[in-house]
Amino acid sequence: GDSVTQMEGPVTLSEEAFLTINCTYTATGYPSLFWYVQYPGEGLQLLLKATKADDKGSNKGFEATYRKETTSFHLEKGSVQVSDSAVYFCALTKGDYKLSFGAGTTVTVRA
Amino acid sequence: EAGVTQFPSHSVIEKGQTVTLRCDPISGHDNLYWYRRVMGKEIKFLLHFVKESKQDESGMPNNRFLAERTGGTYSTLKVQPAELEDSGVYFCASSPFPGEAFFGQGTRLTVV
Repeated sequence: GDSVTQMEGPVTLSEEAFLTINCTYTATGYPSLFWYVQYPGEGLQLLLKATKADDKGSNKGFEATYRKETTSFHLEKGSVQVSDSAVYFCALTKGDYKLSFGAGTTVTVRA
Repeated sequence: EAGVTQFPSHSVIEKGQTVTLRCDPISGHDNLYWYRRVMGKEIKFLLHFVKESKQDESGMPNNRFLAERTGGTYSTLKVQPAELEDSGVYFCASSPFPGEAFFGQGTRLTVV
């Protein structure tokens, strides 16, 4: 079945550091790919998405590019802030409304 | 516009008791989903409603879980009787179309 694997956390880094969270997927066909974020005390929010190969999703300084050749959708941000501390989830769907999530990566940014 | 609302935010119950979780989706969203995250692992799909009908309940773990969606509006997820392994965070989401799921804050269920 479809699955998502993302790097294990937790990840701790200093403000203004570069952040990468790796995500790879296994799926037949052409899934859409997502990054969701859960800030402390809040629900899951869609951070960015990409619906076809080579698409780049971006939001709040975060970017991820849909790489079909490597089945990857790595999340990057060039300069993190304390407010980026959250749990990040990579996910996919093939249009059947059902999302398949990775295990989540906890990111803590220190001032 | 109000988002997806879940009640309660936390629940602690004893093994063998019954718990009912409620989800109010965004108004006008026909699609409603339940997901669960257990022990810090991946978030797993439980089921999907389209209006009041169960479209896909392939992720429901066993017959101790019962989901309903009255009149295609709010939904409830009942666990009866609860077991220790049911502890986790239960998320509800709604969407007007594929992939654009809007999630609630989740209900943290602890079974002791």
